[in-house]
Amino acid sequence: AQSVTQLGSHVSVSEGALVLLRCNYSSSVPPYLFWYVQYPNQGLQLLLKYTTGATLVKGINGFEAEFKKSETSFHLTKPSAHMSDAAEYFCAVIQSNFGNEKLTFGTGTRLTIIP
Amino acid sequence: NAGVTQTPKFRILKIGQSMTLQCTQDMNHNYMYWYRQDPGMGLKLIYYSVGAGITDKGEVPNGYNVSRSTTEDFPLRLELAAPSQTSVYFCASSGQGPGELFFGEGSRLTVL
Repeated sequence: AQSVTQLGSHVSVSEGALVLLRCNYSSSVPPYLFWYVQYPNQGLQLLLKYTTGATLVKGINGFEAEFKKSETSFHLTKPSAHMSDAAEYFCAVIQSNFGNEKLTFGTGTRLTIIP
Repeated sequence: NAGVTQTPKFRILKIGQSMTLQCTQDMNHNYMYWYRQDPGMGLKLIYYSVGAGITDKGEVPNGYNVSRSTTEDFPLRLELAAPSQTSVYFCASSGQGPGELFFGEGSRLTVL
């Protein structure tokens, strides 16, 4: 069965600094990987996804993530943090067999931006 | 464009009471899901549906029931509420690609 592990339940960075949120996956077949963001008192929204093809994927709000099969990782980065990036971020995985639409989420990383 | 709409947003129940969380989507999506979110635990799948008339259990289905009589609606029924069901519940739908879910704003349920 597939799963994801997010390292660090809380991450704090200064405004303008690099954001790095870590995610490692476990899957017996090639996975589809996702990052979702949850702003306070809201539902989750899709930030970016990796399915096949280019291993560096770009998402909304300047975020990007790189799929590294050798490291089983899909870390989320942003070169320069903004106050509006404060939110909780969830990594998620789905097996890439057609018809399996059930996402498995990580436990989340709460990002705090220090002014 | 409403997307996924959940009601109510907040509810307090007494132990043993029952209630239904409503979810409706206007995107004509086939797939719909119910998740619960607890602090530090991420999201756990309760039930899901791949189309009208078809539902299946997720990871944590005990104490819940669902139905899917139309494409638009996917209500979640709590029977005999227990304190362990205190949580934030999210409904989501999918129809544009594997794993691309659209979430409602959540329903915060407290069982006392």
